[in-house]
Amino acid sequence: DVKVTQSSRYLVKRTGEKVFLECVQDMDHENMFWYRQDPGLGLRLIYFSYDVKMKEKGDIPEGYSVSREKKERFSLILESASTNQTSMYLCASSFQNYGYTFGSGTRLTVV
Amino acid sequence: DQQVKQNSPSLSVQEGRISILNCDYTNSMFDYFLWYKKYPAEGPTFLISISSIKDKNEDGRFTVFLNKSAKHLSLHIVPSQPGDSAVYFCAASENTGNQFYFGTGTSLTVIP
Repeated sequence: DVKVTQSSRYLVKRTGEKVFLECVQDMDHENMFWYRQDPGLGLRLIYFSYDVKMKEKGDIPEGYSVSREKKERFSLILESASTNQTSMYLCASSFQNYGYTFGSGTRLTVV
Repeated sequence: DQQVKQNSPSLSVQEGRISILNCDYTNSMFDYFLWYKKYPAEGPTFLISISSIKDKNEDGRFTVFLNKSAKHLSLHIVPSQPGDSAVYFCAASENTGNQFYFGTGTSLTVIP
């Protein structure tokens, strides 16, 4: 089974901090994605990557950046955390368009 | 603009009855559709899929129906069980694409 691992289940950070969310997948998938989930808004795509060192903006990239230095790892960076970035963050990977495998999510609270 | 829509934010169903979750899409190029189930504090897990060459796919208690002319799909759960209580997301993609577009989710509560 494909496994997508997100480094933290719960995080509490202060406003203005730089925050790193890490995601690792173990099935050599080319595609990796970062979403956030908020009540009533569903899953919104932040950034995605189809290859190493490649990144594409999703629907809500403002305030975020990403890094993909290795195929198995896709990092989401909050340059200066704000309270409106309090959310559930979900990482996913996929092979072509066979559907996503999601990680367990990181519940981030910015205070 | 939301290309995949789930117009019912929530649904309550009695245990043993049928749950019907609906999803509409606007992009006629979508040809592969998935349903995911999500429990609180967990990531979504894959439930069932359907491609545009079919109009129905069944897996145990779960059946997905696709009406291409109406750009509509639905997930039927029969019989519903309390463990089915979760948020359900539908997702769609184009055959040539790698990205799935998600609906906003429907929260299903199955009442014992």
